[in-house]
Amino acid sequence: EAQVTQNPRYLITVTGKKLTVTCSQNMNHEYMSWYRQDPGLGLRQIYYSMNVEVTDKGDVPEGYKVSRKEKRNFPLILESPSPNQTSLYFCASRSMAETQYFGPGTRLLVL
Amino acid sequence: RKEVEQDPGPFNVPEGATVAFNCTYSNSASQSFFWYRQDCRKEPKLLMSVYSSGNEDGRFTAQLNRASQYISLLIRDSKLSDSATYLCVVNYRTGTASKLTFGTGTRLQVTL
Repeated sequence: EAQVTQNPRYLITVTGKKLTVTCSQNMNHEYMSWYRQDPGLGLRQIYYSMNVEVTDKGDVPEGYKVSRKEKRNFPLILESPSPNQTSLYFCASRSMAETQYFGPGTRLLVL
Repeated sequence: RKEVEQDPGPFNVPEGATVAFNCTYSNSASQSFFWYRQDCRKEPKLLMSVYSSGNEDGRFTAQLNRASQYISLLIRDSKLSDSATYLCVVNYRTGTASKLTFGTGTRLQVTL
């Protein structure tokens, strides 16, 4: 089954404690992205990757890091989380002209 | 001006009604267009692509007006299960790069 998986689905953490949200896709897609979704602001792109070892900033990259060492994986790293990073996070993948598939989302609460 | 703009709603309509959403985009060089559906607390999923000539999928009709830079979604005979947020998505490609921009969504609530 074609899918994007991300873990964990729910996470409560404290300010400053480094965390990683994993993302994996099994569709051999070149493009992968991370978004955050906040009420009234919609989906905002954090980082994206056009292929292995190629990553670039999206619209709201501050406070986040990513890596793309393998085509299928695209983890999101918060080195020092802060309360304003409390949000719903989605990983997504697609080929250039194809439908974008989203992971199920990760709800993050930073205390 | 936002790159993609939608009326946030909510649109409250009775079952069986016809409802239409519009979405405007600012980049005239945008090449492809989509409507996604997002249920509460779930991930967005593709509802339909939007083609220049307009296209229909069952009760759903999508239209594109490049001259006025807007796309529309028409839902006929609304069902309770159509209650969701509908996201307008625009794709802009340059060379090997491709950027999807999402609107903030229009919320639809279908009632008995």
